[in-house]
Amino acid sequence: KAGVTQTPRYLIKTRGQQVTLSCSPISGHRSVSWYQQTPGQGLQFLFEYFSETQRNKGNFPGRFSGRQFSNSRSEMNVSTLELGDSALYLCASRPSVTAGNTIYFGEGSWLTVV
Amino acid sequence: DQQVKQNSPSLSVQEGRISILNCDYTNSMFDYFLWYKKYPAEGPTFLISISSIKDKNEDGRFTVFLNKSAKHLSLHIVPSQPGDSAVYFCAALRDSGYALNFGKGTSLLVTP
Repeated sequence: KAGVTQTPRYLIKTRGQQVTLSCSPISGHRSVSWYQQTPGQGLQFLFEYFSETQRNKGNFPGRFSGRQFSNSRSEMNVSTLELGDSALYLCASRPSVTAGNTIYFGEGSWLTVV
Repeated sequence: DQQVKQNSPSLSVQEGRISILNCDYTNSMFDYFLWYKKYPAEGPTFLISISSIKDKNEDGRFTVFLNKSAKHLSLHIVPSQPGDSAVYFCAALRDSGYALNFGKGTSLLVTP
C-alpha cells in the first residue's frame, strides 16, 4: 500500500513568487492535513480537508491556502512568498476525521525562499 | 500556547538499554496521543499511539504509558538500538477532526 506522496520534494523560489505543493493521501484516506516545520516554531498545523471541504485552519496568514479534490488529493498554495516561508511542508492523511490514532505523514516538500 | 511539551531537548542512551522519552500536556480534552520518529528533512514516521481511555499500549520494542491524572505520557524503547537515533515527537489530538498538537521534540542518540 503506497504511503502519502508529496511533490515536489525540494524547490527554491524567489521572494514574491507563489508556490503550489501537492499531496496524494494513502488510498482510502479521505482526510488530508498540512503542517509547516521550521527550526524556530516546530511543527505547526496549517489546515485540514475532508470531502473537499476545509474543516480547520491554523494561525497562518491568508497567503496560505489549500484545496482538496474529489479523489482526496490535495494542494496547498503560498502566494507572495517571504523568506520566513522557508520550511518543510508536510502532508498527513487519515481514513476519516475521527480516526485519531492513524495519521500518517508524507516525506515533505522542502521549500527554500531566496 | 504550547499544549504539548517535551521538556528534554536531547537524550543519550547506550545500545541495549531502555530509552524513556517524556511528554506533558495541558489540555485534558485530548483523546489520542501519538509518537513519531523523525529524521532531518523527512516526514515523521508514525510509531505508536494511545487512546485517552487506556493507560498502556505496546508494539514490539515500543511501549507508551499514559498517566491522565498527571497529564503525562512516556515512550519506552527497549532495547534501544543505534538505528533508533532520531528526533521523537509527541503529539496530541482531540477527536472530531482537530489538529495534531506537537511537542518540540526530543533528540535521541543511541550509542554503541
